[in-house]
Amino acid sequence: KNEVEQSPQNLTAQEGEFITINCSYSVGISALHWLQQHPGGGIVSLFMLSSGKKKHGRLIATINIQEKHSSLHITASHPRDSAVYICAPRGGRDDKIIFGKGTRLHILP
Amino acid sequence: DVKVTQSSRYLVKRTGEKVFLECVQDMDHENMFWYRQDPGLGLRLIYFSYDVKMKEKGDIPEGYSVSREKKERFSLILESASTNQTSMYLCASTEGQGVSEQYFGPGTRLTVT
Repeated sequence: KNEVEQSPQNLTAQEGEFITINCSYSVGISALHWLQQHPGGGIVSLFMLSSGKKKHGRLIATINIQEKHSSLHITASHPRDSAVYICAPRGGRDDKIIFGKGTRLHILP
Repeated sequence: DVKVTQSSRYLVKRTGEKVFLECVQDMDHENMFWYRQDPGLGLRLIYFSYDVKMKEKGDIPEGYSVSREKKERFSLILESASTNQTSMYLCASTEGQGVSEQYFGPGTRLTVT
């Protein structure tokens, strides 16, 4: 069983739709990162959170430590949001970062 | 802004060649990491370093070595490149111990023919 599961793996939506990407993990964590990777591009850190909720522009990240679950929401999605979104909790026995396989998001104009 | 740079965006090498991938960060970060990213497998940690001249194996160190002679520079070395090392290689850095933001370089897409 993977330590980090993201869903969905792929998501295509129309511009303006509300997007939710989910992440479940099986280890105790000290923090969780959400990362964004544009096609052919490097990786950018969107959020690092250890409890509650964080908001940055149209992006919102939430985490429920008890349920070992985090979500990334995008409001009023735009084609420029098209990217791979990666959930990366830090924790486990070695307190290292474990990467999910990513969710490929495609927003149609 | 933290800047993590990698020496090449694209590299094509032949099987058996020795390959050097360089990573430099300009924010005096103590921790540096090398990952490879492959379709369907996500990011996998190859090696990391918490200090100058210090290195630790990650999850997939076989076929790789690293060098950290200066704090700002972390090099990944493929002693004898093989076709299964064709991949996207990403360098990252973080400051100090504890939980902190991870900053990634732009990546190097290496093709071994």
